Amino acid sequence: GESVGLHLPTLSVQEGDNSIINCAYSNSASDYFIWYKQESGKGPQFIIDIRSNMDKRQGQRVTVLLNKTVKHLSLQIAATQPGDSAVYFCAEPNTNAGKSTFGDGTTLTVKP
Amino acid sequence: DADVTQTPRNRITKTGKRIMLECSQTKGHDRMYWYRQDPGLGLRLIYYSFDVKDINKGEISDGYSVSRQAQAKFSLSLESAIPNQTALYFCATSEGSANTGELFFGEGSRLTVL
Repeated sequence: GESVGLHLPTLSVQEGDNSIINCAYSNSASDYFIWYKQESGKGPQFIIDIRSNMDKRQGQRVTVLLNKTVKHLSLQIAATQPGDSAVYFCAEPNTNAGKSTFGDGTTLTVKP
Repeated sequence: DADVTQTPRNRITKTGKRIMLECSQTKGHDRMYWYRQDPGLGLRLIYYSFDVKDINKGEISDGYSVSRQAQAKFSLSLESAIPNQTALYFCATSEGSANTGELFFGEGSRLTVL
């Protein structure tokens, strides 16, 4: 079956540095991905999405890169701040089936 | 007020007890979901519903049941709770549009089964 997974369960960075969180997926037909951020004690929240007709999409301080050749996507956070400390999930929303498949999450810790 | 509200937020119960987790939403979405989150395992889908008359099993439905009482309400029941159902449970909604698969989550219900 299809799956999405993250490379590292934890990541620690210094405040002000850039963070890169990686995700791999198995289904070459996957065409849509979402990154969620889950802060402590809260539910996951949408950060940014990307479709397979793009290889890069930028938001405010975040960039998602999609490499369809190796079935890999990454979330880059520029100038990481303490408020970025959270668990980050990549997800594949299969809008036809109406179900999302989530990776296991990467816990980002930002050191002051 | 939150768009997706879960009650209770925390519950401690004993093995064999029946537990109901409730979810209500004000987003007007047709699609509602129940996910379970365990440390290191991400979110796993328990049940989902595309409208009031539609109920579908997710990947880990055994030991759970659901009821979609109205468009805005979707409850999850554990008929006879067991310790390995100790987890953080999330309700979520989505538009159901082909243009977006974004899920809107509640703040979670932490369940402990002793």
